[in-house]
Amino acid sequence: AQSVAQPEDQVNVAEGNPLTVKCTYSVSGNPYLFWYVQYPNRGLQFLLKYITGDNLVKGSYGFEAEFNKSQTSFHLKKPSALVSDSALYFCAVTRGDTGRRALTFGSGTRLQVQP
Amino acid sequence: DVKVTQSSRYLVKRTGEKVFLECVQDMDHENMFWYRQDPGLGLRLIYFSYDVKMKEKGDIPEGYSVSREKKERFSLILESASTNQTSMYLCASSPLRGGLAEQFFGPGTRLTVL
Repeated sequence: AQSVAQPEDQVNVAEGNPLTVKCTYSVSGNPYLFWYVQYPNRGLQFLLKYITGDNLVKGSYGFEAEFNKSQTSFHLKKPSALVSDSALYFCAVTRGDTGRRALTFGSGTRLQVQP
Repeated sequence: DVKVTQSSRYLVKRTGEKVFLECVQDMDHENMFWYRQDPGLGLRLIYFSYDVKMKEKGDIPEGYSVSREKKERFSLILESASTNQTSMYLCASSPLRGGLAEQFFGPGTRLTVL
């Protein structure tokens, strides 16, 4: 079975400060990892993914994420937060070496960026 | 521009009614998915389909069925709606088999069962 843990229900950060949204995963085999963002009253939007290669992945809107195999983590980061980054963030995982094509999502972390 | 559309943004039904949620994608994607989203639980997979007339159960298929008669359309059916099926339902599609490609999501249908 595969699972994702997002240990923080909410993260608060001041505008201009760096932000981190945490994600740890459990999966057998090689993981494929994703971050999605959900703005109010909208569907999920893809931010970035890790498949293989460089552990630091860059994505949309200045976000990046670092894959750490030993800690089974895939934390989302941004050097300087914007108020417009306030949204609900989901981490997701799937197995890379089987035919299962569906994602398992975490419970989500609400990011609140204060002006 | 990539597009996944869902037939309704808001839906109110009564207990015991049969409910159809429709999803259409215009990207010629092979894979399509139905999730429900509940606060504190994230997204949970109900069913997915990787080809026309093919379907696989997700993590919470009980009380639901699906239909995929055409590649672009994936329907979720609640045979007899119950109050515990009140939720946000999200449809998604992805272009490749396997886990490489990201999924594209529709705007969601907020279903209330009274």
